Amino acid sequence: QKEVEQDPGPLSVPEGAIVSLNCTYSNSAFQYFMWYRQYSRKGPELLMYTYSSGNKEDGRFTAQVDKSSKYISLFIRDSQPSDSATYLCAMSAYNTDKLIFGTGTRLQVFP
Amino acid sequence: EAGVTQSPTHLIKTRGQQATLRCSPISGHTSVYWYQQALGLGLQFLLWYDEGEERNRGNFPPRFSGRQFPNYSSELNVNALELEDSALYLCASSLVVSLSYNEQFFGPGTRLTVL
Repeated sequence: QKEVEQDPGPLSVPEGAIVSLNCTYSNSAFQYFMWYRQYSRKGPELLMYTYSSGNKEDGRFTAQVDKSSKYISLFIRDSQPSDSATYLCAMSAYNTDKLIFGTGTRLQVFP
Repeated sequence: EAGVTQSPTHLIKTRGQQATLRCSPISGHTSVYWYQQALGLGLQFLLWYDEGEERNRGNFPPRFSGRQFPNYSSELNVNALELEDSALYLCASSLVVSLSYNEQFFGPGTRLTVL
């Protein structure tokens, strides 16, 4: 079993839709949870970072962490064609910079 | 401010050869990380260097090695190339300020193709 599981998609939604992206994990030592966005032929860029459980909002993006269920989510409101990319969840434990990534979900937002 | 840079952009090698990939971190960053992104597998952690020392290593064979230079740039060497080494190799850098979380900034990657 992989430490982090993520549905690879692809996920295709119309412009303006609410998108929900999810990851599950098995390692209870994970404390730091990240969502990265990766456009084609580019390196990943950090979208959201959350420590432990809870919600975090930044503009149209909301990250949720439920440590009791070992489940994290990224919600995108009012999705735009420019949001079309691969979204990667990543996690790390305390006292290590080693990131464990999900396989990524490919999202396509059509006009 | 310049981001993380990697060279070359593309690299084509044949089985059994050696590949050398290079990374320049963001100015002021002392940590460099290497990840392999193979098709369908997501990013797999390879190596972490900080202040010239190897701090952590992922589950890869010893033919994957690297080093960090005094100017904090880094090299990843892959010996005895195998077909399954074909992947995008990503380098990231960070400024280590705490034991908790230090944001990693990624470069555009080097696409290695092994024929």
